[in-house]
Amino acid sequence: GDSVTQTEGQVALSEEDFLTIHCNYSASGYPTLFWYVQYPGEGPQLLFRASRDKEKGSSRGFEATYDKGTTSFHLRKASVQESDSAVYYCALSDQNTEGADRLTFGKGTQLIIQP
Amino acid sequence: DTTVKQNPRYKLARVGKPVNLICSQTMNHDTMYWYQKKPNQAPKLLLFYYDKILNREADTFEKFQSSRPNNSFCSLYIGSAGLEYSAMYLCASSPGGVQNTLYFGAGTRLSVL
Repeated sequence: GDSVTQTEGQVALSEEDFLTIHCNYSASGYPTLFWYVQYPGEGPQLLFRASRDKEKGSSRGFEATYDKGTTSFHLRKASVQESDSAVYYCALSDQNTEGADRLTFGKGTQLIIQP
Repeated sequence: DTTVKQNPRYKLARVGKPVNLICSQTMNHDTMYWYQKKPNQAPKLLLFYYDKILNREADTFEKFQSSRPNNSFCSLYIGSAGLEYSAMYLCASSPGGVQNTLYFGAGTRLSVL
């Protein structure tokens, strides 16, 4: 079945550092790829998505490019802020189900930004 | 308002007893989902309702039940809780179709003792 593998555990950075969280996927079809972010006490919320090879998704200074050749969708941000501290999930969507987006998630990466 | 509400936020249950978790949304979304999240594991889709049709994942088919009495509400029911059901349960909704955004609630943390 489909699967998503992302940077495991915690990533600890200082403010203004460059961020990369790796995400690789395995899917039988041509999935849509997502990054979701979960702040403490809240549910995951969509950061952005990409549906086609070489498409770049971006939001709030974060970006990722769909790479079908390497089956990757790595999350990057040039200069992180303390407010970016959260758990980040990479996910893909099974597009073969009527009426629903059946998301397959990675385990999540906790980003900790020290002031 | 893009809020999905889950009640309660925390729930304590005894082994062998039933558990019922509640979710509501006011966005008139066609599809509602339940995910289970355990520490160091990915959120796992348990089931979803598309309108009135329930779809349960093959590997959790017999462990969870659900009902959707109207468009706004969806419940997750465990007939006999076991220790392995301790987890965070996340409810989500989406407009239906594909490539839509899922809107998640803050979750219910279930502890089974």
